[in-house]
Amino acid sequence: ETGVTQTPRHLVMGMTNKKSLKCEQHLGHNAMYWYKQSAKKPLELMFVYNFKEQTENNSVPSRFSPECPNSSHLFLHLHTLQPEDSALYLCASSQELTGQGYEQYFGPGTRLTVT
Amino acid sequence: DQQVKQNSPSLSVQEGRISILNCDYTNSMFDYFLWYKKYPAEGPTFLISISSIKDKNEDGRFTVFLNKSAKHLSLHIVPSQPGDSAVYFCAAHDGRGSTLGRLYFGRGTQLTVWP
Repeated sequence: ETGVTQTPRHLVMGMTNKKSLKCEQHLGHNAMYWYKQSAKKPLELMFVYNFKEQTENNSVPSRFSPECPNSSHLFLHLHTLQPEDSALYLCASSQELTGQGYEQYFGPGTRLTVT
Repeated sequence: DQQVKQNSPSLSVQEGRISILNCDYTNSMFDYFLWYKKYPAEGPTFLISISSIKDKNEDGRFTVFLNKSAKHLSLHIVPSQPGDSAVYFCAAHDGRGSTLGRLYFGRGTQLTVWP
């Protein structure tokens, strides 16, 4: 595997279900991100992990719970979601070095539908 | 309040011609700008970037221009090819330490290159 991978690619869940999204980066980066992309809206940053420590929680509801066990893996645990949470969830990674480029590399995303 | 704006949701260009995608921003603390390309069912792919200390960066058919006084950047693709048809996102990095790594994205412009 190369780059950033995400599983599953598609997920349909009921509002009472609990599920998890998984992201893995094979780039040796030290920062990972969760984004949400809804139709006709810009990418919304949800969480940032830098060196496994959460550095930013962008006012995300508690029904979304991130976990970063190491610098290569990132999870997003989902429970009691609402239909408006249906969106494309993207994971990204980057190498944080001040003064260097700030490119983030994205996975293919998980298309989530909440019924 | 959206800090990065792409005011044209779509652009249609004939193959071989120049495509010009525009982006405006409001935050004078942005120190690095990036363009991403996104195909359906895939995550965004990094395309080209520019530091705020430069006004032009070129990579093959792609050139990004930055006008800091106008808080405007543009991506030029020449010659345009049908394979360039995708959604293009403009992104900007906030250089302040507390938001290290955070990118702000525009809503995207759908580019269609027709034969």
